[in-house]
Amino acid sequence: ILNVEQSPQSLHVQEGDSTNFTCSFPSSNFYALHWYRWETAKSPEALFVMTLNGDEKKKGRISATLNTKEGYSYLYIKGSQPEDSATYLCAFQSTADSWGKLQFGAGTQVVVTP
Amino acid sequence: DTGVSQNPRHKITKRGQNVTFRCDPISEHNRLYWYRQTLGQGPEFLTYFQNEAQLEKSRLLSDRFSAERPKGSFSTLEIQRTEQGDSAMYLCASSLGHGSDTQYFGPGTRLTVL
Repeated sequence: ILNVEQSPQSLHVQEGDSTNFTCSFPSSNFYALHWYRWETAKSPEALFVMTLNGDEKKKGRISATLNTKEGYSYLYIKGSQPEDSATYLCAFQSTADSWGKLQFGAGTQVVVTP
Repeated sequence: DTGVSQNPRHKITKRGQNVTFRCDPISEHNRLYWYRQTLGQGPEFLTYFQNEAQLEKSRLLSDRFSAERPKGSFSTLEIQRTEQGDSAMYLCASSLGHGSDTQYFGPGTRLTVL
């Protein structure tokens, strides 16, 4: 993987269901992996910054795992609610860009229907 | 509100005109970033300031683009002789200044070039 890829591109979830999606990134020169939630007409909201292989982070009903050796991260939403509808972006930070440049995926758009 | 602010939120201009956007970062943050997002893509890095010094510029930043951060506070991004391909969402982010620090984003300026 040379670029940051997110899958699926979009998904529809029924309220109350759980879901997960993937971020794939280069497995070499890893420095950090960032997750953001971006609702329409709002600022992207930072969810997690993950730096260590095996990291697991949790914020409310949202959690994320990190595998730097194989270059992927999963984001999980448990018991989806309509307010979880947003585009979820992951961003890879390489060791060469430790000063801060983020390389974003195209996002996974999540729509939660009541 | 102590978050990152951007003005204007929307800008419509005719091809060939100059436009300027402003970003006000979180006050104690010494790092400031500009990104650009086009339809269907994730945000792409444009440039980075540490205090008032512009330390990195992407190859995406043609000579029609210029950014400043006088006195290390707010920043401006100017596009001269706009082209239709400049139509995008321009995002600003700031961080405290440690490697993998969270970058806090503003709501963006949506530019439409007619």
